[in-house]
Amino acid sequence: QVQLQESGPGLVKPSQTLSLTCTVSGGSISGGSYYWTWIRQSAGKGLEYIGRISTSGTTNYNPSFKSRVTISKNTSKNQFSLNVNSVTAADTAVYYCARAPVIKIFGMAHRMGWFDPWGQGTLVTVSS
Amino acid sequence: DIVVTQSPDSLAVSLGERATINCKSGQSVFSDSHKKDYLAWYQQKPGQPPKLLIYWASTRESGVPDRFSGSGSGTDFTLTISSLQPEDVAIYYCQQYSASATPSFGQGTSLEIK
Repeated sequence: QVQLQESGPGLVKPSQTLSLTCTVSGGSISGGSYYWTWIRQSAGKGLEYIGRISTSGTTNYNPSFKSRVTISKNTSKNQFSLNVNSVTAADTAVYYCARAPVIKIFGMAHRMGWFDPWGQGTLVTVSS
Repeated sequence: DIVVTQSPDSLAVSLGERATINCKSGQSVFSDSHKKDYLAWYQQKPGQPPKLLIYWASTRESGVPDRFSGSGSGTDFTLTISSLQPEDVAIYYCQQYSASATPSFGQGTSLEIK
């Protein structure tokens, strides 16, 4: 059974970079037809998809984050990571990592599916 | 982006009674090529991450009690809990995964016991 666990600083100063890591156990981030994703939840914006990385390392980001977000992976550690730069108070949220299936049609990757499972989440506060 | 709107924002239902939560997508989430609706439902309890209940609008995730059911197609969907149990008190979210790269969630519906 795949489990995900977020880790990283709980407090980040404005204008700095938020860095989180998701450690995956019970399965390989290099195997299967899955995307590895980041989602955040805040009082102001609710649940918000941030971006994903595929098993091959291809990334895709929510345009609303413009160019502030980078997702990468470390296959040897079975981890993937999130960096959000130039943070403001609006980036204060609970950050979740989650797995999503690759939906295929006619054998070809078509869409990203639902999110399951999720990590427990980690609260990141942006404040000086 | 596809805007997803849930109604009501909060709901109070007596134990054993039916609870119905609605979800409306700003665009159809039905895939003509796949013949499926790209919509999921989640349950979130305090201090916990969202838990997947239903995907493909009506397919129940393994282990989810059969009192939970999903219905609808295109832009209008419903999550029904046929007989409310105390452990069903939670916030429920719908989520579309139809857009090319940007999934989106509804604002959530808070369910409590009357």
